[in-house]
Parts: sequence; C-alpha cells; structure tokens
Amino acid sequence: DTGVSQDPRHKITKRGQNVTFRCDPISEHNRLYWYRQTLGQGPEFLTYFQNEAQLEKSRLLSDRFSAERPKGSFSTLEIQRTEQGDSAMYLCASSFLPGGASEQFFGPGTRLTVL
Amino acid sequence: AQRVTQPEKLLSVFKGAPVELKCNYSYSGSPELFWYVQYSRQRLQLLLRHISRESIKGFTADLNKGETSFHLKKPFAQEEDSAMYYCAPQNSGGSNYKLTFGKGTLLTVNP
Repeated sequence: DTGVSQDPRHKITKRGQNVTFRCDPISEHNRLYWYRQTLGQGPEFLTYFQNEAQLEKSRLLSDRFSAERPKGSFSTLEIQRTEQGDSAMYLCASSFLPGGASEQFFGPGTRLTVL
Repeated sequence: AQRVTQPEKLLSVFKGAPVELKCNYSYSGSPELFWYVQYSRQRLQLLLRHISRESIKGFTADLNKGETSFHLKKPFAQEEDSAMYYCAPQNSGGSNYKLTFGKGTLLTVNP
C-alpha cells in the first residue's frame, strides 16, 4: 500500500498519560498536515509541515501538543498530559505540488480515547 | 474567520432521484473549492475540485461566487453514493494549503 499510513490505528489511554502518533506520508510528498476530527464535526486543521519545517500551528494546538517531521519524511504528533477533551480521530494528510493548491491524501486516522 | 456551512446534517433520497448537497462558505481571499467523501470504513478522499471542472461519479459542483456557494449535485443517485460528504475550501495563497471542512452531510440512498 503506497498511501498515507498512520500508527497506531487506535489508542486508549488514561488521563494524564502521554501519547505519540506516527504518520508516514506518500514518499514524494513534501507537505504534511495534521487534522483532528471530533464526533459530528468535520476535520479541523492542527498543523502543517513543508519538508521538515513546521510552518503553521492552529490555536487549537495547545502547549501540550507537539509535532515533528525530523527528516522531512514521517511525522509524529505527541500529546502530553492527555485530557478527556483530547479524545478524537487524528488524521494525517500529505500532498505534493511545486506550488498552488492540490489534492490532499488522507491516512486512515488514529482514534484516541482518553479515559 | 473562515466558515463553511453544510446545512443538511442528514439527507436521504431514493435510488434514481436527484440529489443536491449544499455548501456555503465565508472565506477570505479566493479559495479553491473541494468536495471530499468518506465511504463507510474507508478513508477520506477527494471527490472533485472546482478548478478541474470534472464530473466524478456523475457528481458536479457549481461555484457561485456571488452567493459564495459550492453545491454538489447528481441527477440520479445510486446506492453506492451513500457516504459522508464534506465541502472544503482550501487556501490558495501563501504556503499553507490547509483545508477548512464543513461539518459534513451524511447521504443515504435508499433502494
């Protein structure tokens, strides 16, 4: 499968624990996005990388959230001291174009449940 | 602030009937407009984009800049069209081409 992959697919954790999610984009894609989707809502933008540079973070991304894309390939999203409100589907998407808007390819998501 | 409104949370039609999924947006600049679809147990995927002006799976979408609407239409719905549909404008300037999604419309096509 050459699509975007995410790991794990499901994560159940207790409040206060740290969790880390991984996203592997399509190999030639230089842009990587993280979105969060809660029940009954569409995905909401969290953060964006172009190659290894994190260029924008949403105000939704509190200090407990951190994302990296160290070599411009895979990315990790870490949530520290999880809260019940962090329960959601975390989606990763990637795209490639030298410039301009383009299709984003989504991964299957990581469903986080915070007890 | 960017806002996308999909007024129908649920839409149910019979097979062969026309279907229209509404989308209105409030967005700064001149966004590119997309419709994404999520079939049951599948990942979110692109259905169509305004710029390509294609018809995908019989769906078309008309951009009305005056009304800031981008409604999705299909003249004869099929059961396999049952899915969640999201309207999503995308930044077209700068370097962040993030998508802003509506809340989605769950379309059910009954036999």
